[in-house]
Amino acid sequence: KAGVTQTPRYLIKTRGQQVTLSCSPISGHRSVSWYQQTPGQGLQFLFEYFSETQRNKGNFPGRFSGRQFSNSRSEMNVSTLELGDSALYLCASSRGTESSYEQYFGPGTRLTVT
Amino acid sequence: KQEVTQIPAALSVPEGENLVLNCSFTDSAIYNLQWFRQDPGKGLTSLLLIQSSQREQTSGRLNASLDKSSGRSTLYIAASQPGDSATYLCAVVNQAGTALIFGKGTTLSVSS
Repeated sequence: KAGVTQTPRYLIKTRGQQVTLSCSPISGHRSVSWYQQTPGQGLQFLFEYFSETQRNKGNFPGRFSGRQFSNSRSEMNVSTLELGDSALYLCASSRGTESSYEQYFGPGTRLTVT
Repeated sequence: KQEVTQIPAALSVPEGENLVLNCSFTDSAIYNLQWFRQDPGKGLTSLLLIQSSQREQTSGRLNASLDKSSGRSTLYIAASQPGDSATYLCAVVNQAGTALIFGKGTTLSVSS
């Protein structure tokens, strides 16, 4: 069974640009969550999508947005990039039901903003 | 607001030693607790998931316990090996939501 995949693995962008990251969940998983990991703040929850609807949202500015497609694949967009957005962005998938919230993570996308 | 703390932040042990990593959380109303391992620059690997109704889970040389009433979990690693060197992260899911709330992790180094 294939794991969670994320593309691209590495990105370098300039301040003010926008970026789109992609995540493909494990087959059969309907929930996709996104997390930001930085040395200072650790792992922080961005948002979660379940069956194409945003079900939960963390405390990040509106520049961070996402969506989920009918095949459960998800994209995350960051507009007007700032230096502080440099981080490892991790996506996790789960079945998303109360009986199975166990989350499985992808390898991450390393974003560097210059 | 749920906060998760992991102590110690770093730990160095010789190969073969048994060790315990600690995790505490401030709000006992959790749905489950999950332990992860992260190798440098990589994603997270799920090690063990403990549902709120459970007291412990075991997988190979790993054993995780959960005491909801005191807001604590421990991860026990038996007979440590150099390949166990990594950062270990504890995370909880609150009953109110679906997001994982993480501790800052314990970085373990096992020397041969």
